[in-house]
Amino acid sequence: ELKVEQNPLFLSMQEGKNYTIYCNYSTTSDRLYWYRQDPGKSLESLFVLLSNGAVKQEGRLMASLDTKARLSTLHITAAVHDLSATYFCAVDIKPGGGADGLTFGKGTHLIIQP
Amino acid sequence: DAGVTQSPTHLIKTRGQHVTLRCSPISGHKSVSWYQQVLGQGPQFIFQYYEKEERGRGNFPDRFSARQFPNYSSELNVNALLLGDSALYLCASSLEGSYNSPLHFGNGTRLTVT
Repeated sequence: ELKVEQNPLFLSMQEGKNYTIYCNYSTTSDRLYWYRQDPGKSLESLFVLLSNGAVKQEGRLMASLDTKARLSTLHITAAVHDLSATYFCAVDIKPGGGADGLTFGKGTHLIIQP
Repeated sequence: DAGVTQSPTHLIKTRGQHVTLRCSPISGHKSVSWYQQVLGQGPQFIFQYYEKEERGRGNFPDRFSARQFPNYSSELNVNALLLGDSALYLCASSLEGSYNSPLHFGNGTRLTVT
C-alpha cells in the first residue's frame, strides 16, 4: 500500500523567511503533484513533477522530485502572508500515466505571520 | 471556461439515508474522479471513471457507488449513511492520457450526517 508522508504537518513562520516542506512516499513513482488548499476551498494545482530531478518554480515556490530517494520538496522563499494555506503532495502509481487515483499526504498547514 | 462544478454545495442528511452528489467536468475532460476529504486530512480516492466505465476504485465500502453519463458528468451515491461519512466530497476532472495533466478539482459538496 502506497503511503505518503509530509512533514512538518504544521508550520508557523515569519514573513521573509525561507522554509522547506518534505514529502516522502513508499512506492516507486515518477509522478508527483503539489496542491494548495485555502480554508473552506477546493484544491488548486501548483506543480506537476514527472521525472527524476524535475524542478519547477512559480513565484516564491519551488518544487523538486528525487525518485530514487522517493522524496519531493516544496521550498518557500521569502515567505509572504498570501502563501498561508494547506499544502498537499500527492503521488500516482497508476501505469500509463494520467492523474488518476492519487494518494495524498495529510497536508502541511502553513501560517505565515507578519 | 467553466471549471468543475458540483452540486449541491452543502447537504445535511440523517443516518441511514442515501445521498446523490453531482459533478460536471471541465469541457473536454473525459475522466472524472471522486475524493473524500475528512476535516484535517488529505483527500482520499473513491472512484475514477472514464468513458462511462469505472477505471479505479479506492478502499471504500459497497455503500459507495458512482456512474458517469454520456456527457461525462458523474454522480456519486452513498447508501445507508453513517456519521463517519460526514466529509467534503470532491470531484475532479482530467484529460485522460495526458501525462502532464493534473486533476482539476471542484469546490466540493460538504455532507453532514446527523
